[in-house]
Amino acid sequence: LAKTTQPISMDSYEGQEVNITCSHNNIATNDYITWYQQFPSQGPRFIIQGYKTKVTNEVASLFIPADRKSSTLSLPRVSLSDTAVYYCLVGVDTGRRALTFGSGTRLQVQP
Amino acid sequence: NAGVTQNPKFQVLKTGQSMTLQCAQDMNHNSMYWYRQDPGMGLRLIYYSASEGTTDKGEVPNGYNVSRLNKREFSLRLESAAPSQTSVYFCATRRGTETNTEAFFGQGTRLTVV
Repeated sequence: LAKTTQPISMDSYEGQEVNITCSHNNIATNDYITWYQQFPSQGPRFIIQGYKTKVTNEVASLFIPADRKSSTLSLPRVSLSDTAVYYCLVGVDTGRRALTFGSGTRLQVQP
Repeated sequence: NAGVTQNPKFQVLKTGQSMTLQCAQDMNHNSMYWYRQDPGMGLRLIYYSASEGTTDKGEVPNGYNVSRLNKREFSLRLESAAPSQTSVYFCATRRGTETNTEAFFGQGTRLTVV
């Protein structure tokens, strides 16, 4: 399973665009890249998944370069309600068919 | 359509007591999981069930047992609670294919062992 590295924390202000980058140098050919969001006292929530290039949905965009060794989650015009922990995951533990979560990036949005 | 439902939401146990955490899903997913999350940490896999009738250990199974009662329900049991098991427990489900990485989580059970 590919190991991921992402910043421990980030600060931003309302209205700004936030980009969180995740490194995954050992990503396998079949691995998808997935981001989850977790608010305090709640379970994680799936945000976006991608394999290559760019994926966009109503919540975020995911940019993946050609070598796929990193990915960037982009949150446009954040608000206070985007304060959360964001997890980058790569692939599925095929033995356990489970998702492995690291420590995530704690995003704090200030007014 | 409730998704993933966990009970109870909160529980305080004394050291040595036992309890069962309940999880039920109405999404018709094959795979179900139990994770624990300690303060400021990521989630760690305790046990998982790839399909009805099967269960397997995750990263941190010691002190826990599980039962996949049917496709909908996956329970986690603490036979003799210890303070080190104070944590938030999350149940999750996933359709279970190799490329599908969208999991659905319950609201969690906040457990304190004193």
